[in-house]
Amino acid sequence: DTAVSQTPKYLVTQMGNDKSIKCEQNLGHDTMYWYKQDSKKFLKIMFSYNNKELIINETVPNRFSPKSPDKAHLNLHINSLELGDSAVYFCASSNSNQPQHFGDGTRLSIL
Amino acid sequence: GQQVMQIPQYQHVQEGEDFTTYCNSSTTLSNIQWYKQRPGGHPVFLIQLVKSGEVKKQKRLTFQFGEAKKNSSLHITATQTTDVGTYFCAGFEYGNKLVFGAGTILRVKS
Repeated sequence: DTAVSQTPKYLVTQMGNDKSIKCEQNLGHDTMYWYKQDSKKFLKIMFSYNNKELIINETVPNRFSPKSPDKAHLNLHINSLELGDSAVYFCASSNSNQPQHFGDGTRLSIL
Repeated sequence: GQQVMQIPQYQHVQEGEDFTTYCNSSTTLSNIQWYKQRPGGHPVFLIQLVKSGEVKKQKRLTFQFGEAKKNSSLHITATQTTDVGTYFCAGFEYGNKLVFGAGTILRVKS
């Protein structure tokens, strides 16, 4: 059973398009995260939700909008995609400050 | 804000050599976590250190947490090709979020 699953695994799209990435966890964790990993492997926290409430909202363009319909799901919608958005996006979950479990990542390429 | 610095950025070693990566935080941490990311994979949790001066071992891996709870290290003895990947430390400041270091990319030549 997959603990943290995100879809799609690969996303290739053109500049200016709008796209969504979905994430689900079946671990019963109360906190979910979105990270962006660039080509230099740097992991940057973007958002965090605890029991559907936004608790971390880092400095990211407002084209990025997270949505948590329930505590097992955290989706990421991106408007007007730009070249600089190309990266791997990881979803993760945990209980508070306990170790995080990561999904397999979504590789986003902007043409 | 909290910063976690990790060095070195890259390390190439001959198989059988030892490897160490170091982490330093600008603030005192409630705990520090270590993750490993294989090429093409996702970060996988290795260990969590909570106590000042704590030392934990996992086979050939030794993890240390500094007395002041501001620094940490991961040491691998006699590296193997299966050790390749990026090792991240991540520090949790009291009541705050987990902050990842930049990672150390380890390559092992056989």
